Amino acid sequence: QVQLVQSGAELKKPGASVRISCRTSGFTLTNFYFHWVRQAPGQGPEWVGIVNPNGGRPTYSQELQDRVSLTSDTSTSTLYMELRSLKSDDTAVYFCVRVHDFGHYDYWGQGTLVTVSS
Amino acid sequence: ETVMTQSPATLSMSPGERATLSCRASQSVRNKVAWFQQKPGQAPRLLIYGASTRATDIPPRFSGSGSGTDFTLTISSLQSEDFAIYYCQQYNNRLPYTFGQGTKLEI
Repeated sequence: QVQLVQSGAELKKPGASVRISCRTSGFTLTNFYFHWVRQAPGQGPEWVGIVNPNGGRPTYSQELQDRVSLTSDTSTSTLYMELRSLKSDDTAVYFCVRVHDFGHYDYWGQGTLVTVSS
Repeated sequence: ETVMTQSPATLSMSPGERATLSCRASQSVRNKVAWFQQKPGQAPRLLIYGASTRATDIPPRFSGSGSGTDFTLTISSLQSEDFAIYYCQQYNNRLPYTFGQGTKLEI
């Protein structure tokens, strides 16, 4: 069955970097696009970026484009999100999401809580 | 960027009642709207895509309608497990995909 399993919670200090993994199974990674979405406490989801494991440059939100990188490793069917120069406002649950052929999100990872605090 | 505005922010209902949740887009998104249900500590769960198509295993009491800028999610007879937060999202061709701020459906 389709699974997206993310790495565990992270506690980081302001200015540090974090890297989250999203290990996929049950389908062929290169047949799909993936988005990353984050959700701050008590807020709605916010789009972070899109990555195509088949190649091509990722696209990032304007707010995060200078600090975020999305990559993929097809040999392990794993996606990665790195966020640098962390601020307290980056405290959120981060999700990897698979995009169905029709364009909508069909499968989500379980989420990774990133807490930024001194 | 397309702004999605949901109303009401909170909806207080009783089991067995019919709930109607609204979502308005700041520009036309054709029928590229999805609805998600989220419970505390969980990832959002897809209910509806293409404005009106139920996702796999979603019970028929959930229905979606609308096109262009105005969309509705209807839950025909509320069950206890339906009390949660609901988000609409547009996924029209342009990035970023954007979500509404959510409607909390409470007992």
